[in-house]
Amino acid sequence: NAGVTQTPKFRILKIGQSMTLQCAQDMNHNYMYWYRQDPGMGLKLIYYSVGAGITDKGEVPNGYNVSRSTTEDFPLRLELAAPSQTSVYFCASKTGTGAPEQYFGPGTRLTVT
Amino acid sequence: DQQVKQNSPSLSVQEGRISILNCDYTNSMFDYFLWYKKYPAEGPTFLISISSIKDKNEDGRFTVFLNKSAKHLSLHIVPSQPGDSAVYFCAASRGSNTGKLIFGQGTTLQVKP
Repeated sequence: NAGVTQTPKFRILKIGQSMTLQCAQDMNHNYMYWYRQDPGMGLKLIYYSVGAGITDKGEVPNGYNVSRSTTEDFPLRLELAAPSQTSVYFCASKTGTGAPEQYFGPGTRLTVT
Repeated sequence: DQQVKQNSPSLSVQEGRISILNCDYTNSMFDYFLWYKKYPAEGPTFLISISSIKDKNEDGRFTVFLNKSAKHLSLHIVPSQPGDSAVYFCAASRGSNTGKLIFGQGTTLQVKP
């Protein structure tokens, strides 16, 4: 079991460029989440999905898009990157019922210059 | 509006002593509270959770206490070990339909040998 995997680990983007952060989980979890963590701050929810084909906005969705075509994958798309999107991005997943704990990937550190 | 707050950015304790990390919340509708540990350059790791219908949950060296009237929870680590040095986040969940978590800002714990 690899758990939750994220690629790439690091990326530097120029302002206005676009990219997709990849997230995959092999635990057959229905629920998946994207968070960002800014320095000295807690994690803030960007988007989440409760199953394939179903996505919804979190606290800070502006500038991002997601899709969920399979149970395993939940990519995060950044369009027209801005310096304010410089952050560490974490993907997480959890089983659909019962326990509330989410399992996190190792993160992607993104710098927009 | 910060619904989950960790007011102490850092805490330093001696190895073998007790570490107490605190967390306050404002929303009485939260039904689960969780603690995560995070090492540098890694994703958060789930430690322990507590349901709002309980006031204590224990798992080995880790105990979480919940005081609903004060809207306060704490994580006790006994005895503290140098490997416990990390950032600790508390998080809260409201309802089980989405599993969304709201995180505090984190407390950096240093355990000195």
